Amino acid sequence: KQEVTQIPAALSVPEGENLVLNCSFTDSAIYNLQWFRQDPGKGLTSLLLIQSSQREQTSGRLNASLDKSSGRSTLYIAASQPGDSATYLCAGGVGNQFYFGTGTSLTVIP
Amino acid sequence: DAGITQSPRYKITETGRQVTLMCHQTWSHSYMFWYRQDLGHGLRLIYYSAAADITDKGEVPDGYVVSRSKTENFPLTLESATRSQTSVYFCASRGIKETQYFGPGTRLLVL
Repeated sequence: KQEVTQIPAALSVPEGENLVLNCSFTDSAIYNLQWFRQDPGKGLTSLLLIQSSQREQTSGRLNASLDKSSGRSTLYIAASQPGDSATYLCAGGVGNQFYFGTGTSLTVIP
Repeated sequence: DAGITQSPRYKITETGRQVTLMCHQTWSHSYMFWYRQDLGHGLRLIYYSAAADITDKGEVPDGYVVSRSKTENFPLTLESATRSQTSVYFCASRGIKETQYFGPGTRLLVL
């Protein structure tokens, strides 16, 4: 069974700082890895999806990387803003299932 | 609007009652999923469906039943609700390039 871990569980940074969120997984057979954002009391919003054949994906201030050999993915957020405050989850796709980490709760302090 | 809708958004029920959570998507995506989200466990897959009339178990299927007679609908039924099924339930569909899209969730409290 795929185990997905996200460390740290919570992170606070001042506005404007660049930051990296980490995601590690145990099964290198994943065929993709997806990063999501979840606001309190809301559903999940897809941010970036990296196919297993890719190394990274970028969208605006977000950049996600995937290293299957080491079982790691990172989400880089540039020039953080208070509106980035949310919980960020990663999910690894194996077969027809996605396995989620428990998330990193990010607070960006104005 | 296009997307995934879930109903009800909030539900309170009693132990032993049957409860059905509804999920509807407007994209005609083949794959649909039901997850539950609990503190300390993250999201766990309950059931998924690859197409109409094709369903399969996920990580935590016990106590749940699903059906998919139409591509756009994927209801989840708790046959006899238990307190351990108190949770937030999310429906999702999988679109092009494998991206998952989630509904707003149903908050279920079993007393």
